[in-house]
Amino acid sequence: EPEVTQTPSHQVTQMGQEVILRCVPISNHLYFYWYRQILGQKVEFLVSFYNNEISEKSEIFDDQFSVERPDGSNFTLKIRSTKLEDSAMYFCASSSHAGNYGYTFGSGTRLTVV
Amino acid sequence: GENVEQHPSTLSVQEGDSAVIKCTYSDSASNYFPWYKQELGKRPQLIIDIRSNVGEKKDQRIAVTLNKTAKHFSLHITETQPEDSAVYFCAASKAGAQKLVFGQGTRLTINP
Repeated sequence: EPEVTQTPSHQVTQMGQEVILRCVPISNHLYFYWYRQILGQKVEFLVSFYNNEISEKSEIFDDQFSVERPDGSNFTLKIRSTKLEDSAMYFCASSSHAGNYGYTFGSGTRLTVV
Repeated sequence: GENVEQHPSTLSVQEGDSAVIKCTYSDSASNYFPWYKQELGKRPQLIIDIRSNVGEKKDQRIAVTLNKTAKHFSLHITETQPEDSAVYFCAASKAGAQKLVFGQGTRLTINP
């Protein structure tokens, strides 16, 4: 079964540092997403990406965040200057087309900001 | 924007009994309602979903019902087993908008 893969699985960073979280969506999927989950809380939408541009973003996704699809396979989330409250599990997801068909989550990156 | 409320936050049932988790949503334009199971430290895994053109869907021991008028949907697990223990999340999405809005989650514990 096709998978969404994320690297690294765990990242520890100093407050104020930049981090890049990487994702490889399922190859024939067209819609890409980032979600985050603070420990013990619900999964929260950050951003969706389609046709090489952001299609929707939440209030959480402020100027500190950016996304990029630098080549045909990778999808990245950059946090420019990390804060303690950015500590969370970050999930990448992809789907085949609008209507959420085949919506699949990656295994996540646990980001710890110290 | 869309808001999804989920109850209960914790649920403990005896093995073999049924478990029911309920969600309500606020946006009548929502038309896709998936349920995810999340084990500790793992990704959310889709277990069943329903679209607004049907009222009920079943897959072996798992079923989901949808009441569009009341804007609520429920997950039913029958003949529960210890491996059903996990956190379950409901979610909702609108046509054309791909983001999922999640409920707060239900920690289900199956007691042997």
